[in-house]
Amino acid sequence: QSALTQPPSASGSPGQSVTISCTGTSSDIGGYNYVSWYQQHPGKAPKLMIYEVSERPSGVPDRFSGSKSGNTASLTVSGLQAEDEADYYCSSYAGSNNFEVFGGGTKLTVL
Amino acid sequence: EVQLLESGGGLVQPGGSLRLSCAASGFTFSTYAMSWVRQAPGKGLEWVSAISGSGGGTYYADSVKGRFTISRDNSKNTLYLQMNSLRAEDTAVYYCAKARQLVRHGMDVWGQGTTVTVSS
Repeated sequence: QSALTQPPSASGSPGQSVTISCTGTSSDIGGYNYVSWYQQHPGKAPKLMIYEVSERPSGVPDRFSGSKSGNTASLTVSGLQAEDEADYYCSSYAGSNNFEVFGGGTKLTVL
Repeated sequence: EVQLLESGGGLVQPGGSLRLSCAASGFTFSTYAMSWVRQAPGKGLEWVSAISGSGGGTYYADSVKGRFTISRDNSKNTLYLQMNSLRAEDTAVYYCAKARQLVRHGMDVWGQGTTVTVSS
C-alpha cells in the first residue's frame, strides 16, 4: 500500500485561509468518494475533521471544508485560528485489497 | 460517553509477541467496524488492520499480514490485536479507532493509544 502524498508543511496568518492537498491514484482517491481528514495535536489522538470527501462530523467548525478533483483531495481551513495549528492527515479507501491508506501528514503552522 | 481504552503495550524483544486490547464503552460495539492504526515515533499515521462489526471480515496492511491477527469479543465490548514475530519497525503508538459505519466512512472515535517498543 503506497501512502498518499501531502506537502510536509503549510502555514497562514490568523484569519487567512489555507488549503492542504492530498494526492493519490485512481485506485484510491480517484476511485472512491471515501476521503477522510484527521487533525492531530502533539501528544494527542487524531480527530476526525472531514469524512466522505466533504462531510463534517457534528462539532467540527464549518471553517473546515473538504473537496476532491480527480486523484487529489483538499482540505481548506478558513479563518485560521491559533488552535488550528496541528498535523493534518488525509486517508482514503483503497479497495478490498489495500483497504485504507493514509497520507504522510502536513504540519499546519499559524503564523 | 463514547470511549476507547487501549492496553497491553510494552517492551518486547524482536521475534516476540504481544496482545493489545481495546475496551469500548458508550456505544453499541457490535454495530461498528473497528480499526487499529499505528504511529511510529516522529512519523505519520499508518493503518494496520480492521474488522467488521460481526467479526466476520478482517483486513490487514501488507506490512503486518501473516504476523498480526485482529479479533473482537462483542460480548465483552473489546477489540484485540495479536502481534507475533515482532520487528523493530513495529515500534509505535497503537491506536484503536471506531468507524462511523465501515472504516471507509471515517474513524470518529479514537483511544489514547498504547506504546509498543520492539527492542533487544
